[in-house]
Amino acid sequence: DAGVIQSPRHEVTEMGQEVTLRCKPISGHNSLFWYRQTMMRGLELLIYFNNNVPIDDSGMPEDRFSAKMPNASFSTLKIQPSEPRDSAVYFCASSITGTGNEKLFFGSGTQLSVL
Amino acid sequence: DAKTTQPNSMESNEEEPVHLPCNHSTISGTDYIHWYRQLPSQGPEYVIHGLTSNVNNRMASLAIAEDRKSSTLILHRATLRDAAVYYCILSDGNNRLAFGKGNQVVVIP
Repeated sequence: DAGVIQSPRHEVTEMGQEVTLRCKPISGHNSLFWYRQTMMRGLELLIYFNNNVPIDDSGMPEDRFSAKMPNASFSTLKIQPSEPRDSAVYFCASSITGTGNEKLFFGSGTQLSVL
Repeated sequence: DAKTTQPNSMESNEEEPVHLPCNHSTISGTDYIHWYRQLPSQGPEYVIHGLTSNVNNRMASLAIAEDRKSSTLILHRATLRDAAVYYCILSDGNNRLAFGKGNQVVVIP
């Protein structure tokens, strides 16, 4: 099993540009999560999908952020336009949802730098 | 979400046991206690979880107080590879884990 795969590993862009982060969850997992990690705020949950449907996007900071899950094996997180304060490590995680005692499996993250 | 309280940091000597405490006095009856850790430059990694009874796996042991208001993660023999931030998290069944600041564990050779 390859685990959760995120791409790119690193992204450097200029303020105002569109950024797209990609995630492939573990096959068979029905829940997908996007997290953001910064020194100041730690790990924050941005959005949560279950069976490809967004269930909770209350953590999405602004309208500049959007996430999609067109099928069970792929999700994107898009920032348009990007700003320097969006610089962070973005993690994708997947799990099998059931009784609340499931494990989350995290990808290696995308280090985003907005100049 | 019910919250947890952990020390900001701890030190441990290599090859000695490490006891990581966590307080969760507002835990509800259906909350699971999860532990994750994050090694430098990596995503968080599942360590262990439990509901009421103590749990053991190849990575660690989880001791849960009888009133469930606190728990302790036990690493039986710390290695340098165990140096990480350890997160104690309560899950109410919706799988939306809210990570706090965690406990930075330093292992001294």
